[in-house]
Amino acid sequence: GDSVTQMEGPVTLSEEAFLTINCTYTATGYPSLFWYVQYPGEGLQLLLKATKADDKGSNKGFEATYRKETTSFHLEKGSVQVSDSAVYFCALSDGPRGSNYKLTFGKGTLLTVNP
Amino acid sequence: KAGVTQTPRYLIKTRGQQVTLSCSPISGHRSVSWYQQTPGQGLQFLFEYFSETQRNKGNFPGRFSGRQFSNSRSEMNVSTLELGDSALYLCASSLDQEAEQYFGPGTRLTVT
Repeated sequence: GDSVTQMEGPVTLSEEAFLTINCTYTATGYPSLFWYVQYPGEGLQLLLKATKADDKGSNKGFEATYRKETTSFHLEKGSVQVSDSAVYFCALSDGPRGSNYKLTFGKGTLLTVNP
Repeated sequence: KAGVTQTPRYLIKTRGQQVTLSCSPISGHRSVSWYQQTPGQGLQFLFEYFSETQRNKGNFPGRFSGRQFSNSRSEMNVSTLELGDSALYLCASSLDQEAEQYFGPGTRLTVT
């Protein structure tokens, strides 16, 4: 079945450091890929998405490129802030659009950014 | 637009009891999905409803059930609660034919 593997955390960085969180996936067909972020005590917020190969999703300085050849969707940010401290989840959606749809998540990566 | 709302936000129940959680989707969204989040298993898909019909179901026992009403609001029910059911239950809504899901804040269920 479908699966998502993301780098184990926790990840601790200093403010303004470069961030990479690796994510690889296994899926049949052509899934859509997502990064969600969860702040303490809250639900998930969609950070960015990509729906086909070579698409780049971007939002709030974060970027990720859908690489079909390496089945990867790594999250990057050039300069992190303390406010980026959260848990980040990589996810994919399976099945044809509008049917059999569900999200499969990675285990999550806890990011802590120190001032 | 108002976001996805879930009630209650926190619940404490005793083993053997049952519980009902409620989710109101974003206006215009017809698909509602439920997920369970635990430290050990992470985020796991429970089920998805569209137009009052369950379209997809995850690998959970029959004690977990749900339904959707004509106004797209959804409820999930867990009967005969077990300690392992303690979790954050997240509801998400989406427009059909789109892959983007929007999550509510969750209901934190504690079973003692």
